[in-house]
Amino acid sequence: DTEVTQTPKHLVMGMTNKKSLKCEQHMGHRAMYWYKQKAKKPPELMFVYSYEKLSINESVPSRFSPECPNSSLLNLHLHALQPEDSALYLCASSQTPFTGGTGGYTFGSGTRLTVV
Amino acid sequence: DQQVKQNSPSLSVQEGRISILNCDYTNSMFDYFLWYKKYPAEGPTFLISISSIKDKNEDGRFTVFLNKSAKHLSLHIVPSQPGDSAVYFCAASAISNDMRFGAGTRLTVKP
Repeated sequence: DTEVTQTPKHLVMGMTNKKSLKCEQHMGHRAMYWYKQKAKKPPELMFVYSYEKLSINESVPSRFSPECPNSSLLNLHLHALQPEDSALYLCASSQTPFTGGTGGYTFGSGTRLTVV
Repeated sequence: DQQVKQNSPSLSVQEGRISILNCDYTNSMFDYFLWYKKYPAEGPTFLISISSIKDKNEDGRFTVFLNKSAKHLSLHIVPSQPGDSAVYFCAASAISNDMRFGAGTRLTVKP
């Protein structure tokens, strides 16, 4: 299995809703990442989990809450989002943290989130 | 502060010709450079990379060139095929730091 699987693919939520994005990989990668991408902009790093511990939080608002239940799973809990949070949310993994240089990260297909 | 820049949002080439995608960076600490390809409704897929100790890396139809003095890299696709039509992201990383991405260039290869 060489994939990163993200669910759901599309999500529409109201500003008072609570929802979760899920990400799963079975490649034995020990680093997992959440990125946010707006149209015509580069992916922006949100969180990094290294060996199931949060190692980087790039000043993301608290309405985004990551969770790494085990080495294969990564969740992003969403609460009280704003319309400007609408974006493509990408999950990625790599063998060890920041080893992107040797072969790149493996990305999921993303969740297209719309906040109404 | 955008450390990796792709100044051409789009590029259109004829099938069989060369596609050249360009990327500039500002951080001299970057030691690995990568290109990703992204189709609609899919995540970015790793394409090719180059270490800062090299100036060229080739993989089939894809070649990446690095000019460290100019802080510039380029991706050459020869010959271009319609299936190469996608958004191409340039990325760069430094040891123990996250990758930084450019905004992407949309390549269209016309039959």
